[in-house]
Amino acid sequence: SQTIHQWPATLVQPVGSPLSLECTVEGTSNPNLYWYRQAAGRGLQLLFYSVGIGQISSEVPQNLSASRPQDRQFILSSKKLLLSDSGFYLCAWTPGASGNTIYFGEGSWLTVV
Amino acid sequence: AQSVTQLDSHVSVSEGTPVLLRCNYSSSYSPSLFWYVQHPNKGLQLLLKYTSAATLVKGINGFEAEFKKSETSFHLTKPSAHMSDAAEYFCVVSGGATNKLIFGTGTLLAVQP
Repeated sequence: SQTIHQWPATLVQPVGSPLSLECTVEGTSNPNLYWYRQAAGRGLQLLFYSVGIGQISSEVPQNLSASRPQDRQFILSSKKLLLSDSGFYLCAWTPGASGNTIYFGEGSWLTVV
Repeated sequence: AQSVTQLDSHVSVSEGTPVLLRCNYSSSYSPSLFWYVQHPNKGLQLLLKYTSAATLVKGINGFEAEFKKSETSFHLTKPSAHMSDAAEYFCVVSGGATNKLIFGTGTLLAVQP
């Protein structure tokens, strides 16, 4: 069966520090991978999605970047965090074919202080 | 381009009365549409999905939604609300070769006793 793991679950980082959130998927190959952010009082905003290794599409201009070094690994990064980067980050995957269900990781709570 | 609009950020109903959560979409493709629910401090759960089959889709917990292409709508309904339905609900649209999923901003459903 397929599983998705995301870590760390929570972190508190000072403004200006770097960030790295990691996500891995097991039990499938060639998944579409996503990073979403859910800010307080707002919906889920798509940050990045990837249809293959090294292929990253950015949805909104921001202080973050994403990388996909391996087929089932998706990393969210920042060189210098801003207060506005605080929020709940979700990694997700879909099988790639149209209409399939999306599967979410456990999520990561980021507080920038 | 795809987008989804949830017309109400908050909906309050009395227990036992009908629920209507509204969603309108825009898509250049034949869309797939989903409703997800997120209970407090829990992950996202799929309620139902439309993928170009029957336009009236039945989901879990007594919810259903009707795809109306002429109105570009996918409203979520339930005949009788239960206290346990109190949660945040997200309408999601996807389509195209990449199966990118776009979330609405969410509707917070409150159920009064």
